Amino acid sequence: AAGVIQSPRHLIKEKRETATLKCYPIPRHDTVYWYQQGPGQDPQFLISFYEKMQSDKGSIPDRFSAQQFSDYHSELNMSSLELGDSALYFCASGATSGNYNEQFFGPGTRLTVL
Amino acid sequence: AQSVSQHNHHVILSEAASLELGCNYSYGGTVNLFWYVQYPGQHLQLLLKYFSGDPLVKGIKGFEAEFIKSKFSFNLRKPSVQWSDTAEYFCAVNVAGGGADGLTFGKGTHLIIQP
Repeated sequence: AAGVIQSPRHLIKEKRETATLKCYPIPRHDTVYWYQQGPGQDPQFLISFYEKMQSDKGSIPDRFSAQQFSDYHSELNMSSLELGDSALYFCASGATSGNYNEQFFGPGTRLTVL
Repeated sequence: AQSVSQHNHHVILSEAASLELGCNYSYGGTVNLFWYVQYPGQHLQLLLKYFSGDPLVKGIKGFEAEFIKSKFSFNLRKPSVQWSDTAEYFCAVNVAGGGADGLTFGKGTHLIIQP
């Protein structure tokens, strides 16, 4: 079965640089979620999109922005990178309907800021 | 806002032992509840979920969990663990009917199964 695709899988950046992470949801899923997981930490919800509109917002820094495109893929843009941004960034997708919004996670992008 | 508390941060068991990982949540309304497993270096995989109905839910790999509304708990159980169950386990919650609401995770339980 098709899964969530994230690219790149690994990314190394310098402080103050920018980074763009991409997420391709499972076919026919209309919702995308972004999470940040620091070393040894639990995943922290950043932001979600439903039908290309921002749906919920978590602890996303102002330096980060995201959007969902017409083909439902999403991009997380990160500017003025800081050492503390080094983390695993997960994207999850789901088919939001009724009360249920099960989320299927991708393999993650490991971002290292030097 | 909702919050999740996992009581055991590190658990070490021998193979064939029984497992119970505690999870409590804090929220005044109706929630969806999840348990995820994360094997070393891998992504989160859904073990089981509770949306409504029978409070005893069965998931993959022989895991089950029971939702006790009066205790705001959703404990994960497995009668006999295997070495391959060594992983990080996260309990998570979001608001029922909340559309595309993000999940709130607990801090996780690092489970080590000794052969």
